[in-house]
Amino acid sequence: ETGVTQTPRHLVMGMTNKKSLKCEQHLGHNAMYWYKQSAKKPLELMFVYSLEERVENNSVPSRFSPECPNSSHLFLHLHTLQPEDSALYLCASSQEAVVGVGNTEAFFGQGTRLTVV
Amino acid sequence: AQKVTQAQTEISVVEKEDVTLDCVYETRDTTYYLFWYKQPPSGELVFLIRRNSFDEQNEISGRYSWNFQKSTSSFNFTITASQVVDSAVYFCALSERVYSGGGADGLTFGKGTHLIIQP
Repeated sequence: ETGVTQTPRHLVMGMTNKKSLKCEQHLGHNAMYWYKQSAKKPLELMFVYSLEERVENNSVPSRFSPECPNSSHLFLHLHTLQPEDSALYLCASSQEAVVGVGNTEAFFGQGTRLTVV
Repeated sequence: AQKVTQAQTEISVVEKEDVTLDCVYETRDTTYYLFWYKQPPSGELVFLIRRNSFDEQNEISGRYSWNFQKSTSSFNFTITASQVVDSAVYFCALSERVYSGGGADGLTFGKGTHLIIQP
């Protein structure tokens, strides 16, 4: 148990559906992240939030829409996805937006396995 | 730009052997942080070790040890007396302190090394 909880664990959605992924951290951290992990590719940073403000958006298609209503919760809203968006989506949190400052590390949730059909 | 290279895609050893996972990184920054994470089949990334760029002292923690060499930009990780439970994908990651724009890059990961420990 890392203190970062993601729901759902598995999600199958059609290309015309709208769904949301949820992440909650119980660690009192100030920064939260969404990563995408596809087969045979390194983890890709999608979004970074620091103190509820988005500080990084790595050229992610607009069909992915993040939301951070407070420092403990992070959502990823999905709509009109493509089959190539099927992947493991990992949420993480850290004390500071620069991971490592203050001898800290990022904590990850177990991920949501997304399949787009 | 940051870059992390893990040249070993897959390593297979017999239980109780020592195994070293290689990691080479690129960064323009003088202050940065290096990490090793483990990803078991369940999916979550588990933090293993962290090193700051200004501290090159190598350490041992239980069966884990690491060799941080700034001169060669390498941060290798060794498991001593490997066990079947060590089987997982291991990721090396880099975090930079970003001075411009107040932004943050999170962690940049290598592609991972799949470690298989055979009984």
